Amino acid sequence: DVVMTQSPLSLPVTLGQPASISCRSSRSLEYSDGNTYLNWFQQRPGQSPRRLIYKVSNRDSGVPDRFSGSGSGTDFTLKISRVEAEDVGIYYCMQATHWPPYTFGQGTKLEIK
Amino acid sequence: EVHLLESGGGLVQPGGSLRLSCAASGFTFSSHAMSWVRQAAGKGLEWVSAISGSDDRTYYTDSVKGRFTISRDNSKNTLYLQMNSLRADDTALYYCAKDFWLSIWGQGTPVTVSS
Repeated sequence: DVVMTQSPLSLPVTLGQPASISCRSSRSLEYSDGNTYLNWFQQRPGQSPRRLIYKVSNRDSGVPDRFSGSGSGTDFTLKISRVEAEDVGIYYCMQATHWPPYTFGQGTKLEIK
Repeated sequence: EVHLLESGGGLVQPGGSLRLSCAASGFTFSSHAMSWVRQAAGKGLEWVSAISGSDDRTYYTDSVKGRFTISRDNSKNTLYLQMNSLRADDTALYYCAKDFWLSIWGQGTPVTVSS
């Protein structure tokens, strides 16, 4: 199975400041069709997960443009340009290239300093 | 608006069975794959199973193969997860999600396996 490793696992951020989460996979996530199936999810406290980003850099409908995804191969990044209070929660990367199974990172807990 | 509503969770003894349901609305259910993902209390996300929309191909994580069965009834817009031979480590909140790529999630239904 592909292992997804996120860092940091805890991310204290000042309101209005940027934040960045790294996700590394144990093998390249580029599929034979040329796509890279790397998604990012946000789970706010007490809520279900919500997909933010699909195929590395595509924002889902309704996701603020302060969220952006980038990367290729085995290294990926989720960036928040200016953190707001509603961004508090746990962020997960997930690969859907080499499946089954899909595999998630351990999660990164974002909190406000 | 797309909506997914899970039900069927509860307390069951080790070795017992449960059937989870996920009622879908707001989209053409039969055209979309569906997935189950679980989350143990205070832990991360674990993909469990998925089923295609058109030809009912099914997929499972190794730890549930032979014990869990995913199915769907497109006439009822409902997804199921039949869970047999339940173990303590199956205890979790079970979410259903739309598509193979988990685009929309339900609110989850809790499963507790304990004597």
